[in-house]
Amino acid sequence: DAGVTQSPTHLIKTRGQQVTLRCSPKSGHDTVSWYQQALGQGPQFIFQYYEEEERQRGNFPDRFSGHQFPNYSSELNVNALLLGDSALYLCASSLGQAKTAEAFFGQGTRLTVV
Amino acid sequence: AQSVAQPEDQVNVAEGNPLTVKCTYSVSGNPYLFWYVQYPNRGLQFLLKYITGDNLVKGSYGFEAEFNKSQTSFHLKKPSALVSDSALYFCAVRDLNQAGTALIFGKGTTLSVSS
Repeated sequence: DAGVTQSPTHLIKTRGQQVTLRCSPKSGHDTVSWYQQALGQGPQFIFQYYEEEERQRGNFPDRFSGHQFPNYSSELNVNALLLGDSALYLCASSLGQAKTAEAFFGQGTRLTVV
Repeated sequence: AQSVAQPEDQVNVAEGNPLTVKCTYSVSGNPYLFWYVQYPNRGLQFLLKYITGDNLVKGSYGFEAEFNKSQTSFHLKKPSALVSDSALYFCAVRDLNQAGTALIFGKGTTLSVSS
């Protein structure tokens, strides 16, 4: 059973460019969340998708957007990249919207903005 | 505002000794608490969770956590540490104020187990 998979593993972009990160959830999971983990910090919640709708959003600017497809996979898009967007981007999946359910994380995409 | 705090940036223990990684929380209502571990250049792995019931929760790899409502704490413990337990540990609480199921993480505690 494949867990949460993310692509690409590493990415280098230039300031001002746009980037798209991809995530496939664990088999059977229908909820996908994205987190940003800056160096030396805990993960910060960006947004969550459920039933192809943005269910919850954290305190991130509109430059961060996303999408969920009918097969529950998801994309994270970041426009007008800033140096401060350099971080590990983590995707997590879970089943449904129960507050008690644990989330399963992918290995992350390391984004470097130069 | 809901939050978790991990007061120690680093915990050092010798192999075979018991370990404790501390976490305190602040939430309105009953908390749903989680522990995750992160190895270098990897994602987070789920260890255990507290939802309700017994205050001592058992999880993966021999870890357990003790929930204490009066002290608003959820400390991670293991009776006998292994060198392979060396990693970054995160405590998290579920955001109960929003419609979704976002997790609010602490800043993490680095556990170093020496042989």
